[in-house]
Amino acid sequence: EVQLVESGGGLVQPGGSLRLSCAASGFTFSNYAMSWVRQAPGEGLEWVSGIHGSGGSTFHADFVKGRFTVSRDTSKNTLYLQMNSLSAEDTAVYYCVKDLHYSGSGGIDHWGQGTLLTVSS
Amino acid sequence: IQLTQSPSFLSASVGDRVTFTCRASRGISSYLAWYQQKPGKAPRLLIYAASTLQSGVPSRFSGGGSGTEFTLTITSLQPEDFATYYCQQLNSYPLTFGGGTKVEIK
Repeated sequence: EVQLVESGGGLVQPGGSLRLSCAASGFTFSNYAMSWVRQAPGEGLEWVSGIHGSGGSTFHADFVKGRFTVSRDTSKNTLYLQMNSLSAEDTAVYYCVKDLHYSGSGGIDHWGQGTLLTVSS
Repeated sequence: IQLTQSPSFLSASVGDRVTFTCRASRGISSYLAWYQQKPGKAPRLLIYAASTLQSGVPSRFSGGGSGTEFTLTITSLQPEDFATYYCQQLNSYPLTFGGGTKVEIK
């Protein structure tokens, strides 16, 4: 059974940093692209960042470029999202998600339970 | 690539046939997925590659289209189908979602 378990969310002050983690199990982690998708309270889904199966290629939405960095440790089956220069607009539930394919072109077939990030003073 | 979903809200009755649309700002071949989300839950994949039904999804759901215009059809709306539906393009990074269509009970 595929499981994606996020951790690391919480309350952070504007301008602060935080790292989210996602422990993956139940599948061959290096064979699939992974992404982070967020959803602000009462709003729609936003794709944030993604990484190919091997970790060789990473991608970010324009609104987080230069502030967020996605990475993966295949030895630990863990996905990360390092978030810097946070603002209130980054407040959202962050989902760790698995794609159907290695390159991220298939669709998201598994979602974590989500972790809430609140940016507030 | 921007995705525009229409309508934003849809009021329908159990048993109705409903269709919603997702339009891409430029061609994305068939790299489109549809998701269903219920309040307080993570989304669920319904359709990928524009028209392929994900395992375990009821056959009343179907997807179509290619290029810039796509549709999701539910042939006979069931009580458990009242939810919000999102499309996502997977043709090129950055991946993007549409704004969603909320299906409400009439």
